[in-house]
Amino acid sequence: GEEVAQTPKHLVRGEGQKAKLYCAPIKGHSYVFWYQQVLKNEFKFLISFQNENVFDETGMPKERFSAKCLPNSPCSLEIQATKLEDSAVYFCASSQSTAEGYTFGSGTRLTVV
Amino acid sequence: AQSVTQPDIHITVSEGASLELRCNYSYGATPYLFWYVQSPGQGLQLLLKYFSGDTLVQGIKGFEAEFKRSQSSFNLRKPSVHWSDAAEYFCAVEKAAGNKLTFGGGTRVLVKP
Repeated sequence: GEEVAQTPKHLVRGEGQKAKLYCAPIKGHSYVFWYQQVLKNEFKFLISFQNENVFDETGMPKERFSAKCLPNSPCSLEIQATKLEDSAVYFCASSQSTAEGYTFGSGTRLTVV
Repeated sequence: AQSVTQPDIHITVSEGASLELRCNYSYGATPYLFWYVQSPGQGLQLLLKYFSGDTLVQGIKGFEAEFKRSQSSFNLRKPSVHWSDAAEYFCAVEKAAGNKLTFGGGTRVLVKP
C-alpha cells in the first residue's frame, strides 16, 4: 500500500511493563526510521534500518529499547521496562533508497502511568 | 552536528493573508531540506522538499519555499492562507539520502477568521 501503517494507535502501560509498537512500511521502501515526539513537539531520532539491517542506531537508549525489521513482517519497536518519560508519540517513516523524502505513519501514542 | 532553527514558535495570521515561516539550518554542506505539516493528533505530511536545482520549490496545498545558501535558510511561504492551514509546521534537514532527519522545533500557525 501507499501508506505507512502503525499499530496500535494508542497504548497504555504501567511503569515497568513492556510495550511493543509495530510499523508496516510502504512496499518497496528500503529505509525505515523510528522517531519519538515528546510533549514539546521535539522529534528525537531513535533508529533506522536499511532493509532488515540496522543503519543508524545512535538515538536508541539501548538498555531498554530494541527494534527489528525482519523480512515479511512488520517492523517493531520494543521498550522492555517502560518509564514515565517514555510517554510520547512514536512515529515510523519509510523511504526509498534515493532522496525522495519520507512518508510518515500516523503514530502510536504511548502513555506510561 | 547539524541543527535546525525555527525562530517563531507561534504565528497568528488572518485568513486570506500571506504567511511566511522561517527556517535556518547549520550544516557544512547543503543538506536535503524538507517542510512537513502536522495537524492535531495526526502524523507528518510532506509539503515540499529541496535537493538541488531551482532554489524556489513548489509544494502541495499552495505552499512554496525558497532555499538561500548564503543565509542557510529555507523559508516556507503561502500567498493566501485558509483556515485549514492551521497546524504545526516543521522544517527538517537530511545530510544525505537515507540518513536521519533533524527537525526544527516547529511553528504553530493559528488562522483568524
